[in-house]
Amino acid sequence: AQTVTQSQPEMSVQEAETVTLSCTYDTSESNYYLFWYKQPPSRQMILVIRQEAYKQQNATENRFSVNFQKAAKSFSLKISDSQLGDTAMYFCAFMKPLNTGTASKLTFGTGTRLQVTL
Amino acid sequence: DTGVSQDPRHKITKRGQNVTFRCDPISEHNRLYWYRQTLGQGPEFLTYFQNEAQLEKSRLLSDRFSAERPKGSFSTLEIQRTEQGDSAMYLCASSSIYDFSGYTFGSGTRLTVV
Repeated sequence: AQTVTQSQPEMSVQEAETVTLSCTYDTSESNYYLFWYKQPPSRQMILVIRQEAYKQQNATENRFSVNFQKAAKSFSLKISDSQLGDTAMYFCAFMKPLNTGTASKLTFGTGTRLQVTL
Repeated sequence: DTGVSQDPRHKITKRGQNVTFRCDPISEHNRLYWYRQTLGQGPEFLTYFQNEAQLEKSRLLSDRFSAERPKGSFSTLEIQRTEQGDSAMYLCASSSIYDFSGYTFGSGTRLTVV
């Protein structure tokens, strides 16, 4: 079974600064997808960014980028120019496609609580 | 389409009572997932449907839990004889079967068993 580990329960960053959230995972699969989700307080979970394992290029979405190290099974999220609205729980998640080539369930880490301060 | 809807948002129940939650997915999504999230933890997979077929159930889904998606549209999750350990946020999400861009989540139903 796949496992996802987030070793930073809480992090804090000042507004406009850069912060990196860590995630490692364990799998014997070669084809899979990795995700970062954001869950603001009392609000629904939304997708921040995703990475396809077969792509070597790191994904970027505006201020959000990842550092995907497949051999090390590491998938960190970098948030640049942090904003107060980035305050949230951040979850790393893993998905292995089914043998049918279709999407499957997500396995989540325990999350990192990010606080952006003035 | 307004996204994934879950009802109720909050439910307080006495131990031993039965509760039922409803999820309305995005209409064109044929996959529907249920997750449970306890305080300070990540969501844990419970079960998922493709159309009306329940394709996988987690070991977390004890005999007291049952989920249905009768017409391949909305889904219900019932918990019988609730226990205090059932207190959690129950999340529903939907996707298309070939969509690897991630799920769309609902806002969740927060269950408190007293």
